[in-house]
Formats: sequence, structure tokens, C-alpha cells
Amino acid sequence: ILNVEQSPQSLHVQEGDSTNFTCSFPSSNFYALHWYRWETAKSPEALFVMTLNGDEKKKGRISATLNTKEGYSYLYIKGSQPEDSATYLCAFIRYLTDKLIFGTGTRLQVFP
Amino acid sequence: GAVVSQHPSRVICKSGTSVKIECRSLDFQATTMFWYRQFPKKSLMLMATSNEGSKATYEQGVEKDKFLINHASLTLSTLTVTSAHPEDSSFYICSARDVQGASEQFFGPGTRLTVL
Repeated sequence: ILNVEQSPQSLHVQEGDSTNFTCSFPSSNFYALHWYRWETAKSPEALFVMTLNGDEKKKGRISATLNTKEGYSYLYIKGSQPEDSATYLCAFIRYLTDKLIFGTGTRLQVFP
Repeated sequence: GAVVSQHPSRVICKSGTSVKIECRSLDFQATTMFWYRQFPKKSLMLMATSNEGSKATYEQGVEKDKFLINHASLTLSTLTVTSAHPEDSSFYICSARDVQGASEQFFGPGTRLTVL
């Protein structure tokens, strides 16, 4: 059984705070790691697709890093805004498959 | 671009009835579509993978006669929950992939099924 774990489960921060959360995945047979942002009543929105060890990707105030050797990825949000409130999901793809294996997500709430 | 719609967004039905959920790729052709299910406080779990024009591949533990999947065109896949029971109540969400071999999947907004 492949486990993808995310921590923390939920996070409450003040507007302007920076925050980060973790996705842990199996370090063997790695192919790709996806990050999604999921607002209530909307479709999950793809943030990053990461494939190489040491990858660092950035989109605005959000960035992510990847360590495939130890099996973790960090997502960082700089200067959180209320509109960043959402559930952030990571999903792992094992080599030679095309299946996304999801973590349970980190639910972020940013208070004004 | 890459918009996926899902219909209905919410459905309540009586036990024993069948419910059909549609997943459409609106601005691209989806060679492969995926169906996921999410129980409360759990992760999205893949139920099945469907490729246009061929039979769906079901994950272990998912009953293919219970969850009928049809992917008759490059823009539409349907999931039919047959003879639904209260334990089938869940959140069902689809995704679509537009290029063979590309790993990025685009998701619909999901369907909340409640079986009374």
C-alpha cells in the first residue's frame, strides 16, 4: 500500500503570515509529484507538477520544493492572503503508472 | 483552458435507484478520464480509469457491475451508480487528461451523492 501523508491536517494563520506544509511520499519508484489547490465547491486547480529531485517551482507567492531521495515536498505560501484559504492536496505518481495517489490534504484558513 | 464540468453537482436518491454522473472536458479532447471517490476526512481514491472507446480499468475492490463507466467520446465519460444504497453516499469527482502520457489531470468540481 502506497501512503501519501500531508501535515498538518489544518492550519489557521493571520493575513500576512508566511506558512508551509509537508507532503511525504514513498521514495522508491518516483515519477512525479503534483500539488493542487482546492477551494470549496470548485474544481481542484493544478499548482505544480514536479519531477526532478531538487526541483523548486514558484507561482506568485506560492512555491514548492521536492526531495525525491527522502520522499518529501514542501509547499510555501509567502504573505498569506484570505483568498489563499483552501485545501492543498499533493498527489504522487509511481514510475510506470499514471495513477495519482493523493494525500488527505492540508486545510488552510487565512484570517484577515 | 482545460475546463472539466461535472453534472449534477448534488443528487439525492432513494435506495435501489440508479444515478448517472456526467464528466465533460469542455475545451480539450480527453483520451483518458479518471473517476475518484472521497469519503469524509479521507483522501481522493481512484476508482477507475477509462480510455475513450475501450473498457474501463477498475481499481482493486471497486465493483465494475456496481459502478458502470462509459467513455463513448473524447469529451464525455459517465459513471452510473447502479442500485444505489446508503453506503454508496459519497463525493465523486472526475478528472481528464488530454495528451497520452502527460501526467497532468484536470478535475471537475465533483458530485455529492446522498442515498436515502
